[in-house]
This record gives sequence, structure tokens and C-alpha cells, in this order.
Amino acid sequence: QQKVQQSPESLIVPEGAMTSLNCTFSDSASQYFAWYRQHSGKAPKALMSIFSNGEKEEGRFTIHLNKASLHFSLHIRDSQPSDSALYLCAVGGGRALIFGTGTTVSVSP
Amino acid sequence: GGIITQTPKFLIGQEGQKLTLKCQQNFNHDTMYWYRQDSGKGLRLIYYSITENDLQKGDLSEGYDASREKKSSFSLTVTSAQKNEMAVFLCASSPRGGNTLYFGAGTRLSVL
Repeated sequence: QQKVQQSPESLIVPEGAMTSLNCTFSDSASQYFAWYRQHSGKAPKALMSIFSNGEKEEGRFTIHLNKASLHFSLHIRDSQPSDSALYLCAVGGGRALIFGTGTTVSVSP
Repeated sequence: GGIITQTPKFLIGQEGQKLTLKCQQNFNHDTMYWYRQDSGKGLRLIYYSITENDLQKGDLSEGYDASREKKSSFSLTVTSAQKNEMAVFLCASSPRGGNTLYFGAGTRLSVL
């Protein structure tokens, strides 16, 4: 049974700083790794995803994947107040996506 | 673009009551999902369906039933509501062979 854990549970980041979020998973056969963002009272929305080991950058967002360590991360450069949200990692590999426990990010102006 | 519509937006039930939540999508997606979210935390998979009349159990299926009678709709039934239960139930869909999920706004459940 896939276990997906996120850290930290919450964090406060000054505007303009880097936000770093972590996700660990238990099934080494996992094939797909994604981050979703959910603003308060809204539906979760896909941010970005990766299949292979390494790094992928889209604008201010970078995702790192290390399958051997069962770990991937999301980094947000130049964090903005609009980045304040719940961030959910998700892992896939045959069945439906399994989501992590969530990290609440607050960006202070 | 498409949209996922969940009804009702808010649902208040009594302990022991059977409650049904509905979800409609006009993306023409094959796969649909039900997730539960407690206290603004992570999502837990209840049921998913890869095509009409198909049902697959998630890790949290006990206490729930689901039905996919049409490609565009997926309903979830809480078989016996638990006292003081509060959660948001999120419906999602994805295209065949696709990994990205598209979510509805959720149904907020409170049990008195």
C-alpha cells in the first residue's frame, strides 16, 4: 500500500524568498510524480509533474525527483502572497493517484 | 475547456443516515474519482472508475458505495453517516492515458 508523506506540515515564507517542499513515497515502482496547489475554499489544481529522475523547471517552479531516495520536491523561487495555499504532492503508477498529507504555505508580504 | 459540477455544495446529515453525493463532468473523460479531505489536509482515495459501470476501491472505501451509470456522472453514497463527521468530498476526472486530475469544488459534509 503506497504511503506518501509531506514535510513540513506548514511554513511561513517572506515574500521574495525560496519555498521548498518535500514529498516521500514508499513504492519504488511509482512512475509519475506531481504537485497540486489548493487555494483556500477552492479545488486542487495541477501545478507540474515529472516522470524521470532529475529536475524540471517551469517559470518560478522547479521539481526535483530522486527515485532511489523515494523523494521528490518542489521549489518556488521569488515566492508571492498569491502562492499562499495548501500544496499536495501526488504519486502514480498503475492505480489512481495517491496524494500526500499536504503542506500549508503562507507567504508574508 | 470543461467543468466538474458537484452537488450539493453543502450537506448536513443525521447520524446513521444514508447520504448521496453527485458529480457530473463535461470533459468527456473516461476516469472519475472520489477523494475525501479532512480539515484542509491531504486527499484520501475512496473509489475510482475507469469507465462506465466500472468501480475500483480505494484505501478508504469502507463505509461508502459508488455508482457510475453514465460516462459523465459518478455518485458516492455514505452508507451510514458518523456523528460529528466533517469532511470535504472531492470529485475528479482524467482522460484515458492521462495523469492530470481535474477537480470539482467539493461537497462539504457535516453530520449532527
